[in-house]
Amino acid sequence: QSVLTQPPSASGTPGQRVTISCSGSSSNIGSNSVNWYQQLPGTAPKLLIYSNNQRPSGVPDRFSGSKSGTSASLAISGLQSEDEADYYCAAWDDNLNGPNRVFGGGTKLTVL
Amino acid sequence: EVQLVESGGGLVQPGGSLRLSCSTSGFGFSSYAMHWVRQAAGKGLEYVSGISSDGGSTYYADSVKGRFTTSRANSKNTLYLQMSSLRPEDTAVYYCVKGSGTTWRYNWFDPWGQGTLVTVSS
Repeated sequence: QSVLTQPPSASGTPGQRVTISCSGSSSNIGSNSVNWYQQLPGTAPKLLIYSNNQRPSGVPDRFSGSKSGTSASLAISGLQSEDEADYYCAAWDDNLNGPNRVFGGGTKLTVL
Repeated sequence: EVQLVESGGGLVQPGGSLRLSCSTSGFGFSSYAMHWVRQAAGKGLEYVSGISSDGGSTYYADSVKGRFTTSRANSKNTLYLQMSSLRPEDTAVYYCVKGSGTTWRYNWFDPWGQGTLVTVSS
């Protein structure tokens, strides 16, 4: 059971806008920034969003992130077939033993 | 271009040991924290360990604490993961990841190596 909760699957047609949610708690998303990673089939994860809504260079502006309270979202606009991948949210969780890195269980995005 | 190349994975019996290496290039290795993240087949991502840029501070997930040791050789631009008392549940692809700061705390992870497969089975 992952500390951060994501829907296991999402889908959309080319050109559509889809959003993927990530729910946490006050000890993780509520007090720390959220990152999003994209994992294309058979490849290593790639950083998509850092600091809640910042895109690394090279990431298309079709991808955007937001955070509100203890939840975060990844939005993909103008959906393309090459966006079909697994998407993971991540945050640091502050507990009595110190910070721990936690991930969501991942959302498999299908482009219909 | 930043490159991270893991090696050392393979098949090992339960209770055995293995050392993973991550050879890096394209950035100032000694200025960045480094991390290990693993992924079992068909499963999600699990944070394993982090180490500060100078090697003076480390973090281990509860699932590997006391069995795994992360170290680094800044003169060789190389990160290591010494794994002992391996269990079948340690079977996964292990990714070497560059952190965004000097301390392992509160980093984002970018980029990731291609991963090396560790299989623990008799």
